[in-house]
Amino acid sequence: SQTIHQWPATLVQPVGSPLSLECTVEGTSNPNLYWYRQAAGRGLQLLFYSVGIGQISSEVPQNLSASRPQDRQFILSSKKLLLSDSGFYLCAWSPGAYEQYFGPGTRLTVT
Amino acid sequence: KNQVEQSPQSLIILEGKNCTLQCNYTVSPFSNLRWYKQDTGRGPVSLTIMTFSENTKSNGRYTATLDADTKQSSLHITASQLSDSASYICVVSVGNQFYFGTGTSLTVIP
Repeated sequence: SQTIHQWPATLVQPVGSPLSLECTVEGTSNPNLYWYRQAAGRGLQLLFYSVGIGQISSEVPQNLSASRPQDRQFILSSKKLLLSDSGFYLCAWSPGAYEQYFGPGTRLTVT
Repeated sequence: KNQVEQSPQSLIILEGKNCTLQCNYTVSPFSNLRWYKQDTGRGPVSLTIMTFSENTKSNGRYTATLDADTKQSSLHITASQLSDSASYICVVSVGNQFYFGTGTSLTVIP
């Protein structure tokens, strides 16, 4: 069966510090991968999605970047965090159309 | 513009009571509609998924309905339990594109 992992689960970082969140998927190959951010009391905002290694599409111009160095690994990064980057970050994978499965999420607090 | 709207934004009900959550969408063309349950601090978990040709789908005490003509869906929760307290998110997909509602926050009180 397929599983999706995210780490860390929680993170507290000062403004201006770098960020690296990791997501890995097991039990499938060539998944579509997604990064979402969920602000408190808000819906999910799509940040990046990837249909293959090295293929990244950005939905919202911002302080973040994403990379997919391996088929089942998706990384969300920032060189300098802003206060507005605080939120709940969710990684998701999809075998294609119709289905989407979410990871457990990372709670990021920028202080 | 493709949008998904949910109502109410929040809801408080007594344990054991039923409730119905609403989802209206303007997404077109329509592939499928999924309801997720998201516990606080956790990732969303799928409850039901329906294609445009289905008008009802059940998962235990959760029953989703879909009217593709009016572009409305509802999630009915029967005999609510304290563990049903969560956010419920409606998601409409078109191929690889997923459109999310802002969710309904449900609180079940004893």
